[in-house]
Amino acid sequence: EAQVTQNPRYLITVTGKKLTVTCSQNMNHEYMSWYRQDPGLGLRQIYYSMNVEVTDKGDVPEGYKVSRKEKRNFPLILESPSPNQTSLYFCASSSGRLSGANVLTFGAGSRLTVL
Amino acid sequence: KQEVTQIPAALSVPEGENLVLNCSFTDSAIYNLQWFRQDPGKGLTSLLLIQSSQREQTSGRLNASLDKSSGRSTLYIAASQPGDSATYLCAVLGNTDKLIFGTGTRLQVFP
Repeated sequence: EAQVTQNPRYLITVTGKKLTVTCSQNMNHEYMSWYRQDPGLGLRQIYYSMNVEVTDKGDVPEGYKVSRKEKRNFPLILESPSPNQTSLYFCASSSGRLSGANVLTFGAGSRLTVL
Repeated sequence: KQEVTQIPAALSVPEGENLVLNCSFTDSAIYNLQWFRQDPGKGLTSLLLIQSSQREQTSGRLNASLDKSSGRSTLYIAASQPGDSATYLCAVLGNTDKLIFGTGTRLQVFP
């Protein structure tokens, strides 16, 4: 089954404890992206990647890092999480640039709470 | 800066009703507009994508229209069913190749 898999799905952590949210897709997609969703603000893009070793900032990149060493994986790293990073995170992928009318496939989401 | 607004924020209707969800955006220079469905505990599912040169797209009981000049899109759901209960999000793609999402309309269809 074609899918985007995120782990963990739920996580409670404490301020300053580094964590990684993994994202993997099995569709050989070139484009991958991370979003966060907060009440009243909608989904906002954190980082995206057009292909292996190519990443770029989205609208809210502060406090996050990403890497794209393999086509299928796009982990989101929080080096020193803070309470304002408590949110619902989504990873998504697409076969190509979104301007090419390529549709995003989303993971099921990772709910992160930082105490 | 592109802003996307969805009205109403929540909607509750009896089964069988036809309904319209609204989406407005401030910058008409868009590549496309997309409608997504979000179910609790699940990710977003793409419903319809309308290119900027198109006026509407249809999929089953769903019909989405786009009026780029006025910055508006509507999602029409015919003969609503309880299984249609979800949050519906619209998103516009501008020339930065980034999707800008609205905050969604939470729909409840009761039997």
